[in-house]
Amino acid sequence: NAGVTQTPKFQVLKTGQSMTLQCAQDMNHNSMYWYRQDPGMGLRLIYYSASEGTTDKGEVPNGYNVSRLNKREFSLRLESAAPSQTSVYFCASGPGYEQYFGPGTRLTVT
Amino acid sequence: EDQVTQSPEALRLQEGESSSLNCSYTVSGLRGLFWYRQDPGKGPEFLFTLYSAGEEKEKERLKATLTKKESFLHITAPKPEDSATYLCAVLGGANSKLTFGKGITLSVRP
Repeated sequence: NAGVTQTPKFQVLKTGQSMTLQCAQDMNHNSMYWYRQDPGMGLRLIYYSASEGTTDKGEVPNGYNVSRLNKREFSLRLESAAPSQTSVYFCASGPGYEQYFGPGTRLTVT
Repeated sequence: EDQVTQSPEALRLQEGESSSLNCSYTVSGLRGLFWYRQDPGKGPEFLFTLYSAGEEKEKERLKATLTKKESFLHITAPKPEDSATYLCAVLGGANSKLTFGKGITLSVRP
């Protein structure tokens, strides 16, 4: 039982490049979430998916897109990376509002 | 808009020196308050959920309590391995999303 896994662990992008962050959970949770964590800002919700086939915007969705591929997988895409998107990204899942987090992806945009 | 304020921002304790971390919240109709622990370079780890004023939960040296305005995380006789950042989050009203505080960084010296 791996819990929530994220790939990659680290990534460096140049401004304007695109990439997809992958997240998978093996706990059969309905809800999945993407957060970013910045120093002094706390965790901020980017997008979430309450169930397979649905996605909704969170607090800071601009510049991101998501796909709930199936019940296990929830990906986050940056279409044109900007330096302001330098952050640590966490995926989480949960049976309700309790959330279980992955190890994070540290993204740097230069 | 739900708001969460955690204090102090940082706390340094001697091993065995008990203390409390505070989480004050403003929410329209609290549906749940959540505590997480986050170690450097890792994702948050779920600790407790509290649902109503007067509720208490314990885990090893940690005890979480809840009133109508705030929650406390009491740490009894802390050890160096309790050093981490502790996050508080609330779920309120018609929201389906958690609002996180900025966290309290606890350092326990041997």
